[in-house]
Amino acid sequence: AQSVTQPDIHITVSEGASLELRCNYSYGATPYLFWYVQSPGQGLQLLLKYFSGDTLVQGIKGFEAEFKRSQSSFNLRKPSVHWSDAAEYFCAVGTNTGNQFYFGTGTSLTVIP
Amino acid sequence: DAGITQSPRHKVTETGTPVTLRCHQTENHRYMYWYRQDPGHGLRLIHYSYGVKDTDKGEVSDGYSVSRSKTEDFLLTLESATSSQTSVYFCAISDFGGLGQPQHFGDGTRLSIL
Repeated sequence: AQSVTQPDIHITVSEGASLELRCNYSYGATPYLFWYVQSPGQGLQLLLKYFSGDTLVQGIKGFEAEFKRSQSSFNLRKPSVHWSDAAEYFCAVGTNTGNQFYFGTGTSLTVIP
Repeated sequence: DAGITQSPRHKVTETGTPVTLRCHQTENHRYMYWYRQDPGHGLRLIHYSYGVKDTDKGEVSDGYSVSRSKTEDFLLTLESATSSQTSVYFCAISDFGGLGQPQHFGDGTRLSIL
């Protein structure tokens, strides 16, 4: 069965500092991987996705993520965090059939001035 | 922003009553999804649709039914609401070339069952 683990429930970083949010998945074949962001009271917004090819993918808002098959990871990074990045971040894994799609439990990001 | 409208945005009702949530899209996307979001669980798939009148169950489908009579509308029904169905419900749509992964989400419906 597929699963997604986000080990960090909550992370606090200073504005301008770098950010890395961890995501580990369990899936027997090559997964399709996603990161979403959710601001309070709103739905999820797709930040980036990995289907195949280059293992370093660029997304919106200056985010990037790297797929590491050997570590079953898809960590999200940003070189310099802005106060507006404070939100909940979800990693997700899907299959090539599209019929199964699983979210992690999320990481809440606080940005301090 | 993608054209997804969920209605109502908030609802409070009593145990045992029927409840219907509506998701309306203007993007003509093939796939539509209903998720529920609960603390400590992330988002869990309730039901999804891969076309008009074509639906299938997700991870937590018990107690829920869905219908899709038009491309643009996907209804979620709780036939007899229970307190365990208190949650925030999100609709999502996708046109990922048949992969069906959710791309765009609505703003959610906060449902409280008393």
